Amino acid sequence: ETGVTQTPRHLVMGMTNKKSLKCEQHLGHNAMYWYKQSAKKPLELMFVYNFKEQTENNSVPSRFSPECPNSSHLFLHLHTLQPEDSALYLCASSAVSNTEAFFGQGTRLTVV
Amino acid sequence: GESVGLHLPTLSVQEGDNSIINCAYSNSASDYFIWYKQESGKGPQFIIDIRSNMDKRQGQRVTVLLNKTVKHLSLQIAATQPGDSAVYFCAESGGTSYGKLTFGQGTILTVHP
Repeated sequence: ETGVTQTPRHLVMGMTNKKSLKCEQHLGHNAMYWYKQSAKKPLELMFVYNFKEQTENNSVPSRFSPECPNSSHLFLHLHTLQPEDSALYLCASSAVSNTEAFFGQGTRLTVV
Repeated sequence: GESVGLHLPTLSVQEGDNSIINCAYSNSASDYFIWYKQESGKGPQFIIDIRSNMDKRQGQRVTVLLNKTVKHLSLQIAATQPGDSAVYFCAESGGTSYGKLTFGQGTILTVHP
């Protein structure tokens, strides 16, 4: 248990569906991140939020829409995804400076 | 450039042996380095970190070595145990947010009893 909780753990969705991934951290951190882990690529940073403000969008397609309502919660809204978007989506949190990032268990997403 | 059809390096060791996992990084401006362990079905788990003003740091059974001259990082695991079997990632960071990490491709470590 790292203090970062992701739900759901597994998600299967059709290409026309809309779904959301949720991340919650109980560590008092003020930075949160979404990473994508595909079978054939290294872990890729998608989005960075510092103090609820998005500070980085790593050229992520608009079918992925993040939301950070407060420093403890992070969402990733999914809309009209493609099969190649199937991957493990990992949330992480850290203090803005000087500490490592703690990861959640991830959501295994399959787009059919 | 990116790798297509990524094949992770693998390392197989016997229980009790020492393991060394290597990583090369490309950004000479990186000032923070970290090793993660990822077991099947789980998220990456922090092992040990090191800042660029150091060249060695030790933890419990693990040591990280940093050679900034050749941009090389290594993780040494002493007395490797079957529970150490996992994928190990190095990552680099810098700037204002230490969670903004650039990951290496990972190495699969298998420990045989």
